[in-house]
Amino acid sequence: NAGVMQNPRHLVRRRGQEARLRCSPVKGHSHVYWYRQLPEEGLKFMVYLQKENIIDESGMPKERFSAEFPKEGPSILRIQQVVRGDSAAYFCASFQTGEVTEAFFGQGTRLTVV
Amino acid sequence: GIQVEQSPPDLILQEGANSTLRCNFSDSVNNLQWFHQNPWGQLINLFYIPSGTKQNGRLSATTVATERYSLLYISSSQTTDSGVYFCAVTGGSNDYKLSFGAGTTVTVRA
Repeated sequence: NAGVMQNPRHLVRRRGQEARLRCSPVKGHSHVYWYRQLPEEGLKFMVYLQKENIIDESGMPKERFSAEFPKEGPSILRIQQVVRGDSAAYFCASFQTGEVTEAFFGQGTRLTVV
Repeated sequence: GIQVEQSPPDLILQEGANSTLRCNFSDSVNNLQWFHQNPWGQLINLFYIPSGTKQNGRLSATTVATERYSLLYISSSQTTDSGVYFCAVTGGSNDYKLSFGAGTTVTVRA
């Protein structure tokens, strides 16, 4: 889908470890969303970032979760001290503002906490 | 925030049948997109359609922004059309949060 790259595709972490999920947007896009999808459920908004700014983090849990989108490099979603309930697919999407604001999604990172 | 409702929640089709999926939204929108999530979990862009009508092969979509709904038409369905179809919108001035409906799960049987 137009070049949004997420890695890793699959991530296994033990309870209490940290998970770092990376998202490289479509070239030229400076806006990124992160979404979480639990099995058999829909996509839940987590955070919307513009380069070097968090615009809307209303969907992010208050503890253990953080996100950044630096001036250079990919956007990072960081989950500290993971618990089994964090097991889910995490999707990133990018878009650019303007006349057409079509968002494109990456293939997701499947996080499994054991 | 803007509410998005999709119907029906589930749809079972025989190969070759036609179907219509509906997306209702609670406020004016700046962006409306239809996505297909295939059985492998990939989210595929189908249409970017804040208003008007578009067609792409066997799929077409219509958004009537003034009446706050969008329709996705699948004609001559194939087994590869199976998956979940999501509608997502952004609404309001300077509101770029993309809000998803719960999706319609489509199963096409051979």
